[in-house]
Amino acid sequence: DTEVTQTPKHLVMGMTNKKSLKCEQHMGHRAMYWYKQKAKKPPELMFVYSYEKLSINESVPSRFSPECPNSSLLNLHLHALQPEDSALYLCASSHGTSGRETQYFGPGTRLLVL
Amino acid sequence: DAKTTQPPSMDCAEGRAANLPCNHSTISGNEYVYWYRQIHSQGPQYIIHGLKNNETNEMASLIITEDRKSSTLILPHATLRDTAVYYCISLTFQGSARQLTFGSGTQLTVLP
Repeated sequence: DTEVTQTPKHLVMGMTNKKSLKCEQHMGHRAMYWYKQKAKKPPELMFVYSYEKLSINESVPSRFSPECPNSSLLNLHLHALQPEDSALYLCASSHGTSGRETQYFGPGTRLLVL
Repeated sequence: DAKTTQPPSMDCAEGRAANLPCNHSTISGNEYVYWYRQIHSQGPQYIIHGLKNNETNEMASLIITEDRKSSTLILPHATLRDTAVYYCISLTFQGSARQLTFGSGTQLTVLP
C-alpha cells in the first residue's frame, strides 16, 4: 500500500472560520510533510515532521498550525486565513528525511478562502 | 543549495520517446537527482532517482552525465496519459534533514 489519503478533497472557508485538513498513511513512514501549491507554480514546502516531532517550519504564518498526533496522521489546522492562502495543500510521507527516501504524495486538498 | 533548470514546455508525439532535459550544475557529489511528475490537479508522483549511474524502472530511464551537471529523463513510448508537468528536483539541506526543492518543471504534452 503506497497510498497517502487526504480529506477533504475540497474546502471553502471564510476568513473567520476554523477548519482542519487531514492526512493519513499506513506505510510505516516516520516523516510527513505539508506543501502548498499555488496555481501554475511548483509545490512549496511548509512543514516537516520527523518521528512525530516538527523538524522544519518554513517560516509559515501562525494561522497555519500543524499537528502530528501519531506516526500515521498529520493535520493542518487553519484559522483566520486570507484569500491569498487559497491553494492546493499537499501532504507527503517518506521513510525518513535523509534525502534518499522517496516521498509519496496525497491527492491534495483544494482550499478556497473567501 | 542545488538548483535545477528545465525547459518550460515540450511536445512529444504519442508512441515516440520523450526526452526531458535538466541542468543541475551545482548539485553536490552525494546528492541524488529525483524526478517527479504531476498530472493536472493531482499530487506529484515519484518517477525515478539516481546518483551517478543510469537508472531504469518500469516508468522511465534516467541518464546522468558523467560530470553530474545534467540529466535526461526518458519516457520510451509516450502515451496521452503521460501529459503532465515533470519536475527535476534538487535536495536542500536544512539542519539535519534534506528536503525536496521543486524547480519550475517542464510541461510535457503528448500529442495524438
